[in-house]
Amino acid sequence: QVQLVQSGAEVKKPGASVKVSCKASGYTFTSYDINWVRQATGQGLEWMGWMNPNSGNTGYAQKFQGRVTMTRNTSINTAYMALSSLRSEDTAVYYCARGLAVFDPWGQGTLVTVSS
Amino acid sequence: QSALTQPASVSGSPGQSITISCTGTSSDVGGYNYVSWYQQHPGKAPKLMIYEVSNRPSGVSNRFSGSKSGNTASLTISGLQAEDEADYYCSSYTSSILYVFGTGTKVTVL
Repeated sequence: QVQLVQSGAEVKKPGASVKVSCKASGYTFTSYDINWVRQATGQGLEWMGWMNPNSGNTGYAQKFQGRVTMTRNTSINTAYMALSSLRSEDTAVYYCARGLAVFDPWGQGTLVTVSS
Repeated sequence: QSALTQPASVSGSPGQSITISCTGTSSDVGGYNYVSWYQQHPGKAPKLMIYEVSNRPSGVSNRFSGSKSGNTASLTISGLQAEDEADYYCSSYTSSILYVFGTGTKVTVL
């Protein structure tokens, strides 16, 4: 079945960077966009950006421009989201989700905690 | 780009129908037929329930339906069941930042 499996929880200090992975299985990885969405505790969903695994092209929400980088390794069907200059407000669950305009399925989520 | 506007909460008794609204602008909901709805249970990842305004993915109950009028999209849950208690989010393609989510609605089954 189509599945996205993300890396485990991370704890980072303010100012540090984090890189979350998203491994795809059950479909042709290069045929569908990968999006990243985050959710702070008790808050709503926030779209961060997309990546086309075939071309490597990306598009980021303005809020994250300059701090986020989305990449992929097609040999292992894995997408990555790196976020730099972390601050406490970046504490959230980060999800990857497959698709163009329709997000399905979603990864299980990765909790990133930013704390001194 | 602001989030799409949803009511914070909606409730209903088992068997009843409820409707959740999702209001945007002509640059997002009103301009494109790329409105989706997602269900999220506590501690779980969101699940796609409706895509392209009114299409239901395979495996999703036909008690869930979607529609759109102008800048407002709607999700209707008929024959409300206890398992429908969850948070629901709409999303839309936009002409600016590409995608935007709604503020989210907590559905309570009384």
